[in-house]
Amino acid sequence: QSALTQPASVSGSPGQSITISCTGTTSDIGDYNYVSWYQQHPGKAPKLMIYEVSNRPSGVSDRFFGYKSGNTASLTISGLQAEDEADYYCSSYTSSSTLAFGTGTKVTVL
Amino acid sequence: QVQLVQSGAEVKKPGASVKVSCRASGYIFTGYYIHWVRQAPGQGLEWMAWINANSGGTNSAQKFQGRVTMTRDTSSSTAYMELSSLKYDDTAVYYCATSPVVGGGADYWGQGTLVTVSS
Repeated sequence: QSALTQPASVSGSPGQSITISCTGTTSDIGDYNYVSWYQQHPGKAPKLMIYEVSNRPSGVSDRFFGYKSGNTASLTISGLQAEDEADYYCSSYTSSSTLAFGTGTKVTVL
Repeated sequence: QVQLVQSGAEVKKPGASVKVSCRASGYIFTGYYIHWVRQAPGQGLEWMAWINANSGGTNSAQKFQGRVTMTRDTSSSTAYMELSSLKYDDTAVYYCATSPVVGGGADYWGQGTLVTVSS
């Protein structure tokens, strides 16, 4: 199972919106609505931000929006804030009943 | 509140095995899956395996098959991950995390266990 493909870095100014893509295949993202997104600050455990493509866990800001089209899932962060600066990882269930993580994206708030 | 508490850091020699524990509290242990995820220094997240805490059924990433063993003790709400034949590039922080369905998002994570493989 190969890692899902994400851009290495994305940046934006405070208040702007950014979008992180996550590209998989018909054996993972394209065939299942089990796509999750995680935020990880340095030295910390990952935090679940989105599950099942577009659902936000309780307590996660509605500035985070997830969706997918075909084999690509995306995470949009609107109203970018300094605290959003972190690494972001997508994850998908696969046809082998395994999970795969994305390569990770470093978000920088300019 | 839900907590996953992992065992402490380990230093192992190449070829040895390591067993990491993950003690759960604050929820019904057997109602969830436990995933194991690792992160090498400066690298991304890598999914390793899951265990169904109710049935004990397991699955792992192909690269770890034959080398990773997941078990659980329902009486103590503890999951275990044992990795054998350790290599230098197994040096990483190992996390356990829980999800309600096998493919669902992992909403609670342990604090991580640093495993260092060094001669």
